[in-house]
Amino acid sequence: EVQLVESGGGLVQPGRSLKLSCAASGFTFSNYYMAWVRQAPKKGLEWVATISTSGSRTYYPDSVKGRFTISRDNAKSSLYLQMNSLKSEDTATYYCARRPTGSSFDYWGQGVMVTVSS
Amino acid sequence: DIQMTQSPPSLSASLGDKVTITCQASQNINKYIAWYQQKPGKAPRLLIRYTSTLESGTPSRFSGSGSGRDYSFSISNVESEDIASYYCLQYDNLPWTFGGGTKLELK
Repeated sequence: EVQLVESGGGLVQPGRSLKLSCAASGFTFSNYYMAWVRQAPKKGLEWVATISTSGSRTYYPDSVKGRFTISRDNAKSSLYLQMNSLKSEDTATYYCARRPTGSSFDYWGQGVMVTVSS
Repeated sequence: DIQMTQSPPSLSASLGDKVTITCQASQNINKYIAWYQQKPGKAPRLLIRYTSTLESGTPSRFSGSGSGRDYSFSISNVESEDIASYYCLQYDNLPWTFGGGTKLELK
């Protein structure tokens, strides 16, 4: 059974940093692109970052480019999101998602809440 | 960036009704659209990918169609378990973008 379990969320002040983790199991992690998607409270979904199978290629929307860094450790079947210079508009539930080659996100974690507030 | 205009924002249906949600892309997305269901407090669930391909476990009352810029998602014979929000996602071009969502409620 595919499982994705996020951790590392919490309350953080504007301008500070936070690192999210996602532990994957039930599939060969190194064979899949992985991604982060977020959802602000009572709002829609927003793609945040994608990483290739080896980690050599990463992709971001302009809203987080230069502030967020996605990475992975295939030996540990783990995905990460380093978030720097956090803003109030980054407040959201962050989901880890699996992305099969040529397809859309098929499995999602349960999400982790990040609140940016002073 | 490709904009995905999803409508309607909300929908009220009776059990057994057929409902349809549409997504219009700001440019041709070559059928690379997926549809997700999200229940309150839960992660999105992939129902349909590549316009009309049902994911394993997706009931056959769900369907998708479209091409070019215009796509639709339908639920025939709405059941109580279908009460949720639905989102489209284009994955033809980066940045991948979601529609604004449709909240399906019982009449």
